[in-house]
Amino acid sequence: NAGVTQTPKFQVLKTGQSMTLQCAQDMNHEYMSWYRQDPGMGLRLIHYSVGAGITDQGEVPNGYNVSRSTTEDFPLRLLSAAPSQTSVYFCASRRLASTDTQYFGPGTRLTVL
Amino acid sequence: GQQLNQSPQSMFIQEGEDVSMNCTSSSIFNTWLWYKQDPGEGPVLLIALYKAGELTSNGRLTAQFGITRKDSFLNISASIPSDVGIYFCAGQRTGNQFYFGTGTSLTVIP
Repeated sequence: NAGVTQTPKFQVLKTGQSMTLQCAQDMNHEYMSWYRQDPGMGLRLIHYSVGAGITDQGEVPNGYNVSRSTTEDFPLRLLSAAPSQTSVYFCASRRLASTDTQYFGPGTRLTVL
Repeated sequence: GQQLNQSPQSMFIQEGEDVSMNCTSSSIFNTWLWYKQDPGEGPVLLIALYKAGELTSNGRLTAQFGITRKDSFLNISASIPSDVGIYFCAGQRTGNQFYFGTGTSLTVIP
């Protein structure tokens, strides 16, 4: 049982490049989400999903796309990276019926030059 | 977007001292959570609170859900070096969105 895994751990992009941050969980959790963490800002919700085929926007969705084709995977896509997207990105999952135990991945540190 | 204000922003304490931190919001929340984040890791849940006035402990940690439902407090007693990290509060009103505080960085000096 690996929990929530994220790849890559580090990434450097040039402005305008695209990439996908991967997130997978093996706990059969319905709910998955993406956060970004910036200094002095705490964690802010980007997008979330309550099940395969269902996604919704969070607090800061602009510049990011998501899809949920399986229960296990929830990739985050940056179509045209901007320096403002330099951040640490965390994926999290939990059972839909639970409001508390949200398991976080180890994070992806992204730098956009 | 909703921001939760945490204070203090950082703390430097001697090993064995007690620690107090709090989180305030302009909005009412139905659930308050406290997380700890170690360097290079994701946040880990410490305590969850579901009712106004609720006081819950987890070992040396005690957290309270404020009566007004707009604040929460976390206390750590007899701090040890492994308490070092960033502590975040998070609040939930309804639905599936959690709002996180700005974090309190704790340094414990042996």
